[in-house]
Amino acid sequence: ILNVEQSPQSLHVQEGDSTNFTCSFPSSNFYALHWYRWETAKSPEALFVMTLNGDEKKKGRISATLNTKEGYSYLYIKGSQPEDSATYLCAPKDTGRRALTFGSGTRLQVQP
Amino acid sequence: DVKVTQSSRYLVKRTGEKVFLECVQDMDHENMFWYRQDPGLGLRLIYFSYDVKMKEKGDIPEGYSVSREKKERFSLILESASTNQTSMYLCASSFGSEEQFFGPGTRLTVL
Repeated sequence: ILNVEQSPQSLHVQEGDSTNFTCSFPSSNFYALHWYRWETAKSPEALFVMTLNGDEKKKGRISATLNTKEGYSYLYIKGSQPEDSATYLCAPKDTGRRALTFGSGTRLQVQP
Repeated sequence: DVKVTQSSRYLVKRTGEKVFLECVQDMDHENMFWYRQDPGLGLRLIYFSYDVKMKEKGDIPEGYSVSREKKERFSLILESASTNQTSMYLCASSFGSEEQFFGPGTRLTVL
């Protein structure tokens, strides 16, 4: 089982604040890194799938970077809105396993 | 749009009962997954299947089995339900290593 760590565990910010979270994973045998957003009472939805070292992806106000050599990824949210309130999960995949391993997530709450 | 459906949103069973949770996807994905989600523990993989009749244990397979007789359907079976299997169960499917699409979840309570 991969050791996946996400920090912080939870975060409360005000509307308009920018924020970022960290996902750490083993750098050896890296294959891909997924980010998912999971809103309360809904199903997790994919944000990004990243494979290349130095990769940067963006979707609206959310962006992510990937460092496969040191084993971490950052997720950034610019100008947080209440609708960004959710749990953000990262899930790396290595070459030795067919499945993802999910971190325990960062729970974000954005106060209006 | 990819659609992943699960047979029940809420289920209440008694200890010792055999429980079937079903998942159906409509996008011809070869991979299907069963996870459980418990507070503070994220999503933990129970079993997954990468083809019809092919399955592989995940991180917490004890007390569970699975069946995949058709490509679109993946069933999770609790042979003899126990109270520590009370949880939210999520099914997902994917094509290769691409993003996973999740069903709405089944909240199972075992009394």
